[in-house]
Amino acid sequence: DADVTQTPRNRITKTGKRIMLECSQTKGHDRMYWYRQDPGLGLQLIYYSFDVKDINKGEISDGYSVSRQAQAKFSLSLESAIPNQTAFYFCATSGGPNTGELFFGEGSRLTVL
Amino acid sequence: GQSLEQPSEVTAVEGAIVQINCTYQTSGFYGLSWYQQHDGGAPTFLSYNALDGLEETGRFSSFLSRSDSYGYLLLQELQMKDSASYFCAVGGYSTLTFGKGTMLLVSP
Repeated sequence: DADVTQTPRNRITKTGKRIMLECSQTKGHDRMYWYRQDPGLGLQLIYYSFDVKDINKGEISDGYSVSRQAQAKFSLSLESAIPNQTAFYFCATSGGPNTGELFFGEGSRLTVL
Repeated sequence: GQSLEQPSEVTAVEGAIVQINCTYQTSGFYGLSWYQQHDGGAPTFLSYNALDGLEETGRFSSFLSRSDSYGYLLLQELQMKDSASYFCAVGGYSTLTFGKGTMLLVSP
């Protein structure tokens, strides 16, 4: 089984719908991240969390919200999806600061029509 | 803020050596990471340089010069399976900021 699991892997939805992407990890890491990737582009940080009570905005948080339900679970929500949120979304974990190493889930492909 | 520059595409043949450069501007720097991503897959960690110099891991090496805000990834003995996108990323204390990636195309 994968250490970082994302669900759903693929989702098609319509403009205005609420969408939740879920991430769970078995690595025992405190730090969890949500990144967005558009085709041909790098990864942009949406939100990150260092423990259940800690939530921080990344560079592109507008239109998104997150919830850290437990150390192992970090979900991303789009309250009212719009077409330009069509992208790949990756969850990642880290074992601590200054390691430079993130462990990514397999990604969720979201299409907003 | 932080910004990174890397070439958008590099081509090479099997068995060759290729170098992917990365220059960065950042307000807080802890290290430079490299990731590989195959089409449709997740990014996977390759290397991390916190100090100046060369780090070697098998066929891959990574170099950092903090004074020049510059690093590179060196891939030796290229194989077809090395065709992928390669991302450099600068690490602050809490997060990583990624470049836009370099697509490496390896031909027979």
